[in-house]
Amino acid sequence: KAGVTQTPRYLIKTRGQQVTLSCSPISGHRSVSWYQQTPGQGLQFLFEYFSETQRNKGNFPGRFSGRQFSNSRSEMNVSTLELGDSALYLCASSLEYRGFTDEQYFGPGTRLTVT
Amino acid sequence: TQLLEQSPQFLSIQEGENLTVYCNSSSVFSSLQWYRQEPGEGPVLLVTVVTGGEVKKLKRLTFQFGDARKDSSLHITAAQPGDTGLYLCAGGNGNTGNQFYFGTGTSLTVIP
Repeated sequence: KAGVTQTPRYLIKTRGQQVTLSCSPISGHRSVSWYQQTPGQGLQFLFEYFSETQRNKGNFPGRFSGRQFSNSRSEMNVSTLELGDSALYLCASSLEYRGFTDEQYFGPGTRLTVT
Repeated sequence: TQLLEQSPQFLSIQEGENLTVYCNSSSVFSSLQWYRQEPGEGPVLLVTVVTGGEVKKLKRLTFQFGDARKDSSLHITAAQPGDTGLYLCAGGNGNTGNQFYFGTGTSLTVIP
């Protein structure tokens, strides 16, 4: 079974631009979560989608948004990029929305660099 | 924000040595997960513990969830170079569903 895939793997953008990242979960998985990982802040939760609905949202500004499609694939968008948005963006999928015992499977991440 | 502090932040040991990584919080969690992340890859789930005082063993790795469900430890016996990586703990809360709070991480290097 194929793992979680994320595209693109690397991205360089300029301040003020916007970016869209894509995540394809493991086949059959319906929950997709997004995380931001930086050396200073570690791994921080962005949001989680289940059956095309945002179930949980972390403490990030409204410039960060996401959506999930009917096939469970998910995208996240960051508008008006800032230098501090440079990070590894990780997507994780899990089989179903069971809550705090879910087994999350992470993709390799998208490395975003904002210049 | 529910913070999880891990210690030590960095650890470099010789192959064959034992080590323990700690994950502490002032908050109570419904579950505690441990992950290992290697460079260029996403974290890989090692274990989930849900009961206070629970101990789980995975080959040379022993995981314990504190009685009060606020802390956890990971003990590795006879470390091997393949154990090298970033170890992350993550707390889950039944009130927030699939939202996990990750610890600050412990970077382990095992020298052959």
